Amino acid sequence: AQSVAQPEDQVNVAEGNPLTVKCTYSVSGNPYLFWYVQYPNRGLQFLLKYITGDNLVKGSYGFEAEFNKSQTSFHLKKPSALVSDSALYFCAVRDTNNAGNMLTFGGGTRLMVKP
Amino acid sequence: DGGITQSPKYLFRKEGQNVTLSCEQNLNHDAMYWYRQDPGQGLRLIYYSQIVNDFQKGDIAEGYSVSREKKESFPLTVTSAQKNPTAFYLCASTRAAVNYGYTFGSGTRLTVV
Repeated sequence: AQSVAQPEDQVNVAEGNPLTVKCTYSVSGNPYLFWYVQYPNRGLQFLLKYITGDNLVKGSYGFEAEFNKSQTSFHLKKPSALVSDSALYFCAVRDTNNAGNMLTFGGGTRLMVKP
Repeated sequence: DGGITQSPKYLFRKEGQNVTLSCEQNLNHDAMYWYRQDPGQGLRLIYYSQIVNDFQKGDIAEGYSVSREKKESFPLTVTSAQKNPTAFYLCASTRAAVNYGYTFGSGTRLTVV
């Protein structure tokens, strides 16, 4: 079985400060990991993914994520937050052993960036 | 441009009515999904389909129905049996390859009046 957890319902950060949104996962095989962002009344937009290779993945809008196999984590980071980064962020995982090919989503973390 | 289109953007339903939400994709994706999202909450899977003419129940299928007669289309019907249908509905699609993520539509907001 595959699962993903986002332990924080909300993260508050001041504009210009670094931000981290946490994600941990559980799979039986190897993970494929994804981050999505959702702005109000919109669908989810793809930010970045980890499939294999370099543990540090760079994505859209200056976001990056670090895959840590020993800690089973895939935290989303950005060196300098913008007010426009305020949104709902979802982590998702797919197990390479998952024949059903479905993603499992975390519960989401609301990021609030204050001026 | 390829993409996934949901319509309408806003939908109002009277109690006791069935309504159908449209989801169309021109990405040649094999699998399609319907999710329900309540305010400030995460995604809950309603139904999914991995091939034409086949679909499976998700976690909250009661009160909903779907069809997959064409690869491009996966409409969702919210029936009168769904007692609390007011929510934001999201459709997604993906290829069969495991390293693909989902592409999401822009959503339909359904309100019971």
